Amino acid sequence: DMKVTQMPRYLIKRMGENVLLECGQDMSHETMYWYRQDPGLGLQLIYISYDVDSNSEGDIPKGYRVSRKKREHFSLILDSAKTNQTSVYFCASSLWGGAGQNTLYFGAGTRLSVL
Amino acid sequence: TQTVSQSDAHVTVFEGDSVELRCNYSYGGSIYLSWYIQHHGHGLQFLLKYYSGNPVVQGVNGFEAEFSKSDSSFHLRKASVHWSDSAVYFCAVTRNNYAQGLTFGLGTRVSVFP
Repeated sequence: DMKVTQMPRYLIKRMGENVLLECGQDMSHETMYWYRQDPGLGLQLIYISYDVDSNSEGDIPKGYRVSRKKREHFSLILDSAKTNQTSVYFCASSLWGGAGQNTLYFGAGTRLSVL
Repeated sequence: TQTVSQSDAHVTVFEGDSVELRCNYSYGGSIYLSWYIQHHGHGLQFLLKYYSGNPVVQGVNGFEAEFSKSDSSFHLRKASVHWSDSAVYFCAVTRNNYAQGLTFGLGTRVSVFP
């Protein structure tokens, strides 16, 4: 079963708290992504991971870091969360070789509210 | 910099109607184009993609899209919509450089009424 699972689905944090968003996939995909989705801005790429411990900044990496210690897991970390990081975060995965020739599989998203 | 423009923020149609969702891109090199659908409260799901060959590509659930290099467009169409097609549709582009993800348009919300 091809699935990308995100935990938690909903999260409320206070400004300055640390946030951990987790993502897992069961397809042995090499490449994984973190996007955030905001009204009027669409989906913006935060980080890409090509495989274990091989990560690269996307378009909006400031304020975020990632961790990938196993191929099937990709974590997004917000150290000292800010209110402008309130958003819906999506994780996705694909086979290696680029997001064009390979389909991206998305998780259901994590809705994060930073108060 | 590659950009994707979806001119319609919201489209309303009735069941059985046809629908066309417009997508224009700006990039001069070889690119991959794709469409994704997002139902309310869910993640995005792949519909179809184009890189080369026949400019009309078929996707899932009766969707098709047509690439036009001269117009820099990749419009999505469906001949007869169902209520379950109500969703947000995203056009996306990438150079397929392995270091890149997809660049998405802002999306077009489609509301299908019975």
